[in-house]
Amino acid sequence: DAMVIQNPRYQVTQFGKPVTLSCSQTLNHNVMYWYQQKSSQAPKLLFHYYDKDFNNEADTPDNFQSRRPNTSFCFLDIRSPGLGDAAMYLCATSRDMGRSEKLFFGSGTQLSVL
Amino acid sequence: DQQVKQNSPSLSVQEGRISILNCDYTNSMFDYFLWYKKYPAEGPTFLISISSIKDKNEDGRFTVFLNKSAKHLSLHIVPSQPGDSAVYFCAASNQGNTPLVFGKGTRLSVIA
Repeated sequence: DAMVIQNPRYQVTQFGKPVTLSCSQTLNHNVMYWYQQKSSQAPKLLFHYYDKDFNNEADTPDNFQSRRPNTSFCFLDIRSPGLGDAAMYLCATSRDMGRSEKLFFGSGTQLSVL
Repeated sequence: DQQVKQNSPSLSVQEGRISILNCDYTNSMFDYFLWYKKYPAEGPTFLISISSIKDKNEDGRFTVFLNKSAKHLSLHIVPSQPGDSAVYFCAASNQGNTPLVFGKGTRLSVIA
């Protein structure tokens, strides 16, 4: 089945220790997104790639970076995680941009920062 | 500043009854609205959508109603089933290539 896969399901890191979350997709979609969701909050878009074109949301901290080496993979790098970065990180894809495009989500990575 | 608001964090409904989940938005430029459903340990999945040119869209047990003048939409589930127990997110977008804006979600519990 075509899908969006996130690894790992749970990630524990230490305060200030860089961490990378990964996402892969078999849908061959052009767009990949990273959302951050804290408990009882709305998913918050961090950035997205349209093909190789990177689009950063204005309020995404510099501490968060992303890489998309090819169509299938996208990585979220947190350079110096703080306690406030503990959250669920959701990767999503869509075939194209546009208001009617449906997003396909992975199961998420729950990040804990100790 | 939240542009998409789901003011009820949770809702409990008896099996067989109607579930009504509400969503309000503040941005008058939004013209397309979607509902996503999320089970524990899974990512959200698309449920149903509606364009602003319509005031109702129906798909089986799920109906979404849009009231543009009130900037309000609602999702009706009839009849509710225990398998509908999940978190429901309302999302909105506008013309052009801007990403979706999500609400905080409403946790629906359908009690057998």
